Amino acid sequence: AQSVAQPEDQVNVAEGNPLTVKCTYSVSGNPYLFWYVQYPNRGLQFLLKYITGDNLVKGSYGFEAEFNKSQTSFHLKKPSALVSDSALYFCAVSDPITGTASKLTFGTGTRLQVTL
Amino acid sequence: DAGVTQSPTHLIKTRGQQVTLRCSPKSGHDTVSWYQQALGQGPQFIFQYYEEEERQRGNFPDRFSGHQFPNYSSELNVNALLLGDSALYLCASSIRDRDYEQYFGPGTRLTVT
Repeated sequence: AQSVAQPEDQVNVAEGNPLTVKCTYSVSGNPYLFWYVQYPNRGLQFLLKYITGDNLVKGSYGFEAEFNKSQTSFHLKKPSALVSDSALYFCAVSDPITGTASKLTFGTGTRLQVTL
Repeated sequence: DAGVTQSPTHLIKTRGQQVTLRCSPKSGHDTVSWYQQALGQGPQFIFQYYEEEERQRGNFPDRFSGHQFPNYSSELNVNALLLGDSALYLCASSIRDRDYEQYFGPGTRLTVT
């Protein structure tokens, strides 16, 4: 069965500093990986995905993530954090090999708090 | 271009009752997936509809059922509500050939008392 772990409940960073939100995954084959962001009382907004190809994926709002197969990780990064980046971030995985590419399995989320 | 819309925004029901939630997919999308997000948790996959049929299902009991209409909109029905069904219910739409690229609606907050 596929699974996602987000080991940090909360990440605190000062505005202008780089940020990293960690994610590790487990699937039987090659994964599809996703990052979503959720603002209060809102649904999930898509940030970026890894399907195949370059391990460094660039997404919306200056975010990027690096797929590391040996470490089964897909950490979210941003060179310079903004206060407006403060939100709840979810990593998700799906397994195209088992025919369930669209069945996303989410982590428990990491709250990012960016302060001035 | 309208995104995914869901109704109602909030709903309060009593244990044992039945509830129906509605979703209209993003324009051009033909596949709808439903997720349950309990407080403090990540979303959990309930099921997916394409061509008016349930195509995939997560680990949810038969009390959870759905429907997809010819215009691709969808309903989620939950019977015999339990307190544990209180959650944010998210609808996501996609195109069949890229059904992993899911666009989420704002959700319906269901409270069961």
